[in-house]
Amino acid sequence: KAGVTQTPRYLIKTRGQQVTLSCSPISGHRSVSWYQQTPGQGLQFLFEYFSETQRNKGNFPGRFSGRQFSNSRSEMNVSTLELGDSALYLCASSTRGQASGEKLFFGSGTQLSVL
Amino acid sequence: GDSVTQMEGPVTLSEEAFLTINCTYTATGYPSLFWYVQYPGEGLQLLLKATKADDKGSNKGFEATYRKETTSFHLEKGSVQVSDSAVYFCALLGDSGGYQKVTFGTGTKLQVIP
Repeated sequence: KAGVTQTPRYLIKTRGQQVTLSCSPISGHRSVSWYQQTPGQGLQFLFEYFSETQRNKGNFPGRFSGRQFSNSRSEMNVSTLELGDSALYLCASSTRGQASGEKLFFGSGTQLSVL
Repeated sequence: GDSVTQMEGPVTLSEEAFLTINCTYTATGYPSLFWYVQYPGEGLQLLLKATKADDKGSNKGFEATYRKETTSFHLEKGSVQVSDSAVYFCALLGDSGGYQKVTFGTGTKLQVIP
């Protein structure tokens, strides 16, 4: 079974641009969660999608948005990029979602650098 | 809100040394507790979990016991190997505005030298 796939692996953008990251979950998984990982803050929860609906949202500004498609693939968009958005963005999938307590399967992440 | 506090790293140990990585948490109710591990260039993987007080999670020689009285879930291993070098994240599943989510600590980097 293929694991969680995130594309692209690396991304370089300039301030003010927007970016879209993609996450393909493990086949059969209906939940996709997104996290921002930085050295000082660890993993910060962005949002979780389940069956195309946003279930939960973290404390990030409205520039961060996401969506999920009928095949469970998810995209995350960041508009008007700022230098502080430079981070590793991780997605995680599971069958029943975070609330079930089952383990999360993580992708390798997209490393975003904002210049 | 929920929070997880881990000891700052990096932690550097010689092979076969004893490992302890401290983790304490703040949460309402009775959260489930986890340890995840991140090897270089990879995403996180679940290492072990515990769902109620006094439960002990264990995997690959690592252990952690859910201590409600001290709100702690310290990770231990009796004899570390070079292959254990990674970043370890403590996490909890707790209530967040009516819906449960997983909150992670900042991670502790472990370096094991031969």
